[in-house]
Amino acid sequence: NAGVTQTPKFQVLKTGQSMTLQCAQDMNHNSMYWYRQDPGMGLRLIYYSASEGTTDKGEVPNGYNVSRLNKREFSLRLESAAPSQTSVYFCASSENRGNQPQHFGDGTRLSIL
Amino acid sequence: DAKTTQPPSMDCAEGRAANLPCNHSTISGNEYVYWYRQIHSQGPQYIIHGLKNNETNEMASLIITEDRKSSTLILPHATLRDTAVYYCIVRVTNDYKLSFGAGTTVTVRA
Repeated sequence: NAGVTQTPKFQVLKTGQSMTLQCAQDMNHNSMYWYRQDPGMGLRLIYYSASEGTTDKGEVPNGYNVSRLNKREFSLRLESAAPSQTSVYFCASSENRGNQPQHFGDGTRLSIL
Repeated sequence: DAKTTQPPSMDCAEGRAANLPCNHSTISGNEYVYWYRQIHSQGPQYIIHGLKNNETNEMASLIITEDRKSSTLILPHATLRDTAVYYCIVRVTNDYKLSFGAGTTVTVRA
């Protein structure tokens, strides 16, 4: 089972460039999430989508935009990349609200020079 | 979300049970306890979760004390592939955010 698939796995950008990180899930989950993880820190929620057609800000949304393209896909866009956005980005999905767990992809490692 | 406290690290012998403690003394009645792990360079992997009853699945068992102020994750027969950072998280029902702390770095030794 594929679960949550993120592309690309690695990317190097120059400051000011734009990029879209892709995420797709095949578990028919309603909710999807974007987190970032920096060295020595826990995951921080950037944006989430409770259901198709809705998106909401998380803890650290500045500098990012998201699109819930359909039920399966949730993309994260950096319009003008900054070195502070160098991080590992994880996408996750869950069945719905309530107590259902989130399931994560293997991440996109992004370096901005 | 309630704060959790975990030991920073622990070792375990291969083939033995690994018992990972977690304190969550300020947990509220509607907060679940979740356990995730993160193997190096991979995404967090969901292990198990529970509210107040003990839970078991194919990966682990979760023991929650009667007062719900602490819990223990049990890996019944640790293998080298269980070496990872283990996170204990409490989350309010319907809260979208998972707050990952520092976790416990578990090293399984042959």
